[in-house]
Amino acid sequence: EAGVAQSPRYKIIEKRQSVAFWCNPISGHATLYWYQQILGQGPKLLIQFQNNGVVDDSQLPKDRFSAERLKGVDSTLKIQPAKLEDSAVYLCASSLKPGSPSYEQYFGPGTRLTVT
Amino acid sequence: SQQGEEDPQALSIQEGENATMNCSYKTSINNLQWYRQNSGRGLVHLILIRSNEREKHSGRLRVTLDTSKKSSSLLITASRAADTASYFCATVPKAPYGNKLVFGAGTILRVKS
Repeated sequence: EAGVAQSPRYKIIEKRQSVAFWCNPISGHATLYWYQQILGQGPKLLIQFQNNGVVDDSQLPKDRFSAERLKGVDSTLKIQPAKLEDSAVYLCASSLKPGSPSYEQYFGPGTRLTVT
Repeated sequence: SQQGEEDPQALSIQEGENATMNCSYKTSINNLQWYRQNSGRGLVHLILIRSNEREKHSGRLRVTLDTSKKSSSLLITASRAADTASYFCATVPKAPYGNKLVFGAGTILRVKS
């Protein structure tokens, strides 16, 4: 079974530039998550989708971050404009059970973003 | 702030020894999960323990949960060099705190061969 795919793996941009990350979840997984993991900290949930609808985006900085999940499969996360404090690893995860994080989440390898 | 806090922040042991990591949390939970993260790789789910369970085993892993103390521990027995990683506890808080997975800051485990 193929895992969660993310691209790119690494990205370096200057502040005020824009950047986009892509995620392809495990086939058949209805729920998709984006997390931000700052160095030395645990992952923090940014947004949760169930199929192509948003379940929770309460911790997404909506003035600069946006995310979408087209046709309930792939997802993109965008930052525009980027700030220095956005430097982090962005993790995508998916789970089979719709709507509940009580079940195992499968994580992708992440995208390491450096903002200079 | 994050829900869970792991203790210790870092742990260094010899191969073959046991490693114990602790996690404390603040609110009532539905369940608690432990994840492992190797350097440069994504998170891998290790084990889930529900709020009505007190102990759970999986291979060399043993997890305990004490809801009265709002704490959990992860024991890795007979550690191997390959166990070197960061270990995170993550809780699913009960309503009204939100049905989301909330991670602690993690424990960095180094197993020396």
